[in-house]
Amino acid sequence: EVQLVESGGGLVQPGGSLRLSCGASGFSLSNFGVNWVRQAPGKGLEWVSYISSSGTTIYYADSVKGRFTISKDTAKNSLYLQMNSLRAEDTAVYYCARGSTMVRGVLKPYFDYWGQGTLVTVSS
Amino acid sequence: DIQMTQSPSSLSASVGDRVTITCRASQSISSYLNWYQQKPGKAPNLLIYAASSLQNGVPSRFSGSGSGTDFTLTISSLQPDDFAAYYCQQGYDSPWTFGQGTYVEIK
Repeated sequence: EVQLVESGGGLVQPGGSLRLSCGASGFSLSNFGVNWVRQAPGKGLEWVSYISSSGTTIYYADSVKGRFTISKDTAKNSLYLQMNSLRAEDTAVYYCARGSTMVRGVLKPYFDYWGQGTLVTVSS
Repeated sequence: DIQMTQSPSSLSASVGDRVTITCRASQSISSYLNWYQQKPGKAPNLLIYAASSLQNGVPSRFSGSGSGTDFTLTISSLQPDDFAAYYCQQGYDSPWTFGQGTYVEIK
């Protein structure tokens, strides 16, 4: 059974840092790309970042580029999101989601498995 | 970035009703359109991928159609478990963007 379990959320002051983790089971991060998607309280969904199965292709939303870093440890089958210079507008539930469908060698993802999410609150 | 616009933003319907939600992309995305259902406090759940392919385990009352810029999610006979938020998402080009959501409420 495929499962994703996030951890590491919490309350952090503006300008602070936080590292989120996502443990995967039932599949290998060496074979699938994975993403972070967030949802601000009472708002819609926003894709944040993607890392490919090989780890060589990484994408970020403009809203987090230069502040967030996605990475993974295939030995631990875990995904990470290092978040620096946090702002109030980064307050959200952060989900990890599997999604790396390739069509003729081009990434055209849908997100077929999601974790339960971890809440990040940026406030003084 | 590709903008995704859903309509309506919310709707009220009764059990047994046929419900249609539309999603429009700001440019052609071929058939790279996906639909999700989200219940309060839960993660989204994939319903439809590639515009019209039903995800494993999703009831057949859900269906999707469309291509290019205009897409539709249809629930043929609304069930009590279907009252939720629904989101479309384009998988055509990064950043992969979502619609603002459609909230289906009990009439």
